[in-house]
Formats: sequence, structure tokens, C-alpha cells
Amino acid sequence: EPEVTQTPSHQVTQMGQEVILRCVPISNHLYFYWYRQILGQKVEFLVSFYNNEISEKSEIFDDQFSVERPDGSNFTLKIRSTKLEDSAMYFCASVWDRGSYEQYFGPGTRLTVT
Amino acid sequence: TQLLEQSPQFLSIQEGENLTVYCNSSSVFSSLQWYRQEPGEGPVLLVTVVTGGEVKKLKRLTFQFGDARKDSSLHITAAQTGDTGLYLCAGPPSRGSTLGRLYFGRGTQLTVWP
Repeated sequence: EPEVTQTPSHQVTQMGQEVILRCVPISNHLYFYWYRQILGQKVEFLVSFYNNEISEKSEIFDDQFSVERPDGSNFTLKIRSTKLEDSAMYFCASVWDRGSYEQYFGPGTRLTVT
Repeated sequence: TQLLEQSPQFLSIQEGENLTVYCNSSSVFSSLQWYRQEPGEGPVLLVTVVTGGEVKKLKRLTFQFGDARKDSSLHITAAQTGDTGLYLCAGPPSRGSTLGRLYFGRGTQLTVWP
């Protein structure tokens, strides 16, 4: 069964460093999302992406964040200068059609900023 | 303010018991999804309910969407230890949401004891 994959599973970085989180969405899906989940808190939307551009972003997704689909398969989230409060699980999700709403999530990347 | 309120937050029961968890909102949702999440993993989609009053069954799990599409419930019959996990409801509100941004509840942590 097709699934969303994410790498790395765990990333440890120092405050101020740049990190890139990678995702491979399900191959025929067209809409892509990043969410994050701070330990013990709810899953929060960061950004949605369609047709090589951002469709919607939350207030969390400030200038330190960027997303890219550099080729036909990868979808990346970059945090330019990490802060302690960026420590969280980051989930990528994809859906094949905007009318579907059935988003399939990857296993997540645990980001730890020290 | 939580867009989606889930209750109870924690539920601990014996194997074989029945249970119901709730997901409520003051907003109307286009659809509601139920996910299950294990520690350190991504949410796994269980079901999507779309039509007000809809009932969907997945083996021992019964999902219901309220007539007004503001609430949903998950009923588990004869719980098993394998049902242990965090149950999340999520959905795109009918108004003000583009391209399927999901809002999540905080979840109900279910523990089923043998």
C-alpha cells in the first residue's frame, strides 16, 4: 500500500542552525501539507502546497520556514535558523484531490533543537 | 479556544468493555476524519464522515457524524488491548478553509487493560 515517507526520523540540531526535513508523498497525490506536534500538544497545521506554490500558511509558518518541491517526488520543509521552540514532531501529509480531505500522514521527523 | 473539543481526554477501561469518545465543535465542518496515533508515529486515518447523520462501521468501531456536522462520535464495542492509542478527530471547517487544512482536536488517550 502506498505511503508517505519522511527522513530523517530524528534530527538533532543546535539553535540557529538550518535544517531540512524531507518527505516523499504518495506518488499520485497533488496536495501536500506540513504539520507539527509539540510534545503533549495537538497537531497543528503549518502550510499547504499545490502546483508548486504555497496555498495557505498558518501564523506559525513565519519567514524562518520555507517549503519546496525540488523534483517530482520530494517535498521539503526548511527551517532557516532553528529556535528551541521549534522542537517538535513534524509530519508531512498528502492528498490526491482537494475534495478528498483524506490526508495521509507520514511517520514524522522528531526535531530536537538544543 | 479549541475549534474541536474531544472528550474524555483520558479513558482507561478493561478489555471487553464498550466505550464512546466525542468530538464537538461550535463550527460546521465539511467533513471529519478520525485518526489513531501511536507514540512517536504519525496519525493513521481510520475513517472520514462527510454527510450529516452519517454512520460508518469499521469492524468493532462505529463512527457517527452529527446532523448539523458540528460533532462526531467514535464507539468501540468489546474493546481489545490492541485498541490502545490516541484517537484524534480532525477536519476542515466549512468556512474559511482552503485546500483541506485540517484542524485537530487534542485527542482521547485510550488504554485498554487485559
